[in-house]
Amino acid sequence: AQSVAQPEDQVNVAEGNPLTVKCTYSVSGNPYLFWYVQYPNRGLQFLLKYITGDNLVKGSYGFEAEFNKSQTSFHLKKPSALVSDSALYFCAVRDIGNTPLVFGKGTRLSVIA
Amino acid sequence: DVKVTQSSRYLVKRTGEKVFLECVQDMDHENMFWYRQDPGLGLRLIYFSYDVKMKEKGDIPEGYSVSREKKERFSLILESASTNQTSMYLCASSRQGTSQPQHFGDGTRLSIL
Repeated sequence: AQSVAQPEDQVNVAEGNPLTVKCTYSVSGNPYLFWYVQYPNRGLQFLLKYITGDNLVKGSYGFEAEFNKSQTSFHLKKPSALVSDSALYFCAVRDIGNTPLVFGKGTRLSVIA
Repeated sequence: DVKVTQSSRYLVKRTGEKVFLECVQDMDHENMFWYRQDPGLGLRLIYFSYDVKMKEKGDIPEGYSVSREKKERFSLILESASTNQTSMYLCASSRQGTSQPQHFGDGTRLSIL
């Protein structure tokens, strides 16, 4: 069965510093990986996805994610954090077929001015 | 842009009532999903549908049912609401295919008194 782990409930970072939100996954086949962001009282917004090819994927709002097959990880990164990046971030995975995404429990990112 | 619209942002009902949550998408997506979101538990899949009149149970279907009579509309039904169904409910839709992201509505915050 496919699963996703986000090992940190909360990440704090100073504005202007680089940020990383961690995600590890477990699938039986090739992984299809996604990151979403949720602002207060809103639904989830799609940020980026990894399907195949280049291990570094670029997405919306300056975010990028690095796929590492040997470590089964897909960490979300941004070179310089903004206060407006403060939100809840979810990693999700799917392996084969037209199946629902499986989500991690989420990581709350706080960017401090 | 994909638009997923949930009929109510906030809803207050009483125990034992039959509750309907409505979701409409405007992008002719084949797949539709209902999740509930609770603090510390992330997103949990209730039901999903791959086509009109089709439905599949997710991880926590007990106490819920769904209806998909038209492609664009997916309804979640709480047959007899209970206080432990107080939650944020999120609807999503997607095209068929392993690489397709799910697109979410803004959610319905449901309180059962």
